[in-house]
Amino acid sequence: NAGVTQTPKFQVLKTGQSMTLQCAQDMNHEYMSWYRQDPGMGLRLIHYSVGAGITDQGEVPNGYNVSRSTTEDFPLRLLSAAPSQTSVYFCASSARGSHDTAFFGQGTRLTVV
Amino acid sequence: AQRVTQPEKLLSVFKGAPVELKCNYSYSGSPELFWYVQYSRQRLQLLLRHISRESIKGFTADLNKGETSFHLKKPFAQEEDSAMYYCALGTTSGTYKYIFGTGTRLKVLA
Repeated sequence: NAGVTQTPKFQVLKTGQSMTLQCAQDMNHEYMSWYRQDPGMGLRLIHYSVGAGITDQGEVPNGYNVSRSTTEDFPLRLLSAAPSQTSVYFCASSARGSHDTAFFGQGTRLTVV
Repeated sequence: AQRVTQPEKLLSVFKGAPVELKCNYSYSGSPELFWYVQYSRQRLQLLLRHISRESIKGFTADLNKGETSFHLKKPFAQEEDSAMYYCALGTTSGTYKYIFGTGTRLKVLA
């Protein structure tokens, strides 16, 4: 039981490049979400999903896309990377939603130059 | 507005001293409240949640709906408690989201 797995752990992008951050969970959780962690700002919700085929925007969705074709996977796409997207990204899942315990991935440290 | 406020960015205490990390929330519904901890180079993990009303690693937190607070307390801090602590609110109606505070870094000094 691996829990929540994020890849890659580190990534450097050039401005304008696109990439996908992968997130997979093996706990059959319905709810998954993406956050960015910035100094002094805590964790801010980017996008979330309450089940396969259903996604919604969080607090800071601009510049990011998500899809949820399976229960297990919830990839985050950066369409055209900008230096402002330099951050640590965390994926999380929970069994029954935001009133349940969230399990986090180990994070992806992204630098956009 | 839905908000979680952690007023202290950094809290330094000596080993053996009591610790209180403050958390206040704003939410019109009935909240689910959590404390998550991030030790150095580790992923965020649940420390405790208000509904379980248990003590984890000596930490406790009581939900005070009148003061809209969920402060985290420990009577005697240990060096291994040094970490980043996040208070989080889980919404229970409408759009289901976790709302995190900005975090408090706890440093326990020898």
